[in-house]
Amino acid sequence: DVKVTQSSRYLVKRTGEKVFLECVQDMDHENMFWYRQDPGLGLRLIYFSYDVKMKEKGDIPEGYSVSREKKERFSLILESASTNQTSMYLCASSLLGTGRMNTEAFFGQGTRLTVV
Amino acid sequence: AQTVTQSQPEMSVQEAETVTLSCTYDTSENNYYLFWYKQPPSRQMILVIRQEAYKQQNATENRFSVNFQKAAKSFSLKISDSQLGDTAMYFCAFINTDKLIFGTGTRLQVFP
Repeated sequence: DVKVTQSSRYLVKRTGEKVFLECVQDMDHENMFWYRQDPGLGLRLIYFSYDVKMKEKGDIPEGYSVSREKKERFSLILESASTNQTSMYLCASSLLGTGRMNTEAFFGQGTRLTVV
Repeated sequence: AQTVTQSQPEMSVQEAETVTLSCTYDTSENNYYLFWYKQPPSRQMILVIRQEAYKQQNATENRFSVNFQKAAKSFSLKISDSQLGDTAMYFCAFINTDKLIFGTGTRLQVFP
């Protein structure tokens, strides 16, 4: 059974703290994604990575950074958490490219982050 | 820029009836995939159905089917014989080489 695991389901952090959200997949996927989900805004792409040590900015990268040191792990970092980063964060992974038959994305269960 | 638009924030349907959720997208690419994902209250995103752009035949998965109109860049989801368990947020999504883009979602409520 394919699996994407996010390290925390709920997280409460203080303003100004450095926050790490971890995501691990066991499917040997090249692509990994971080989204934030807010009511009425859907899923917005923060960063994605198509290989180890490679990263690309998504639509809303400001205030975030990422790290991909190993293929199976993709970390989202909030350098100095702010209240407007309170949100649901979703990690996903998929195989690379449209040439693959199985190009769907698999998701973790989400981390609901509250910054106080 | 590639975008996905879902113009129906909320929909409701009676159990056993049929409902159609709308999605349009914008891309200059010719080869891509389109998806419908379901997010129930448990928050786990689940793939409902997938359509490859080079296939003219509309995808079908049991009670779920799509109406894919490539020229119009339209990708609607039809749910037949709606069940209470279909109550969820539904997201339309698009991918070509690497970037997976989502719409804003449609909240579907199935009433008994």
